[in-house]
Amino acid sequence: KQEVTQIPAALSVPEGENLVLNCSFTDSAIYNLQWFRQDPGKGLTSLLLIQSSQREQTSGRLNASLDKSSGRSTLYIAASQPGDSATYLCAVTGGGNKLTFGTGTQLKVEL
Amino acid sequence: EPEVTQTPSHQVTQMGQEVILRCVPISNHLYFYWYRQILGQKVEFLVSFYNNEISEKSEIFDDQFSVERPDGSNFTLKIRSTKLEDSAMYFCASSEHTPSNQPQHFGDGTRLSIL
Repeated sequence: KQEVTQIPAALSVPEGENLVLNCSFTDSAIYNLQWFRQDPGKGLTSLLLIQSSQREQTSGRLNASLDKSSGRSTLYIAASQPGDSATYLCAVTGGGNKLTFGTGTQLKVEL
Repeated sequence: EPEVTQTPSHQVTQMGQEVILRCVPISNHLYFYWYRQILGQKVEFLVSFYNNEISEKSEIFDDQFSVERPDGSNFTLKIRSTKLEDSAMYFCASSEHTPSNQPQHFGDGTRLSIL
């Protein structure tokens, strides 16, 4: 059974800092990995999707990497801003259609 | 940008009552999903739906749950006899093609409170 873990569970950084969020998964037989952002009481906003054959994807200040063989992904956020404060979730698609989600990292970017 | 819309945003129901949660997926999408998130816990998969039938379901999705695409735009989740433990945020999602190479797009969710 696929298990997805994210560390740290919470992170507080000053504005402008670069930061890395980590995601690990137990079964490397995945089709893709998706990073989401969740604001309090809101839905999930898709940030990046990395196919299993890819090593990284970039969107603006966000860069996600994938090391499928070791079961790891990172989300790098450059020059963090207070508006980046949210919970960040990673999720993998394995056999079948479903996403298996991680526990999330709650990020706070302070002025 | 097209988005998944869910109604209502908050539903309060007495235990034992039936509830229907509604979703309008993105118009050209073919795969539809329901997930739930109990407060403080992970987002969990419930069911996926393609070509007018369930393609996969989790152990959570028991006989009390059903899904339907009653017309060309709506996708519904019905809980027949609600329990206290059904209280959660329910998310609808859709994807354009097979989820192995397409992102799933989520709605803002329906917060279901069972009293």
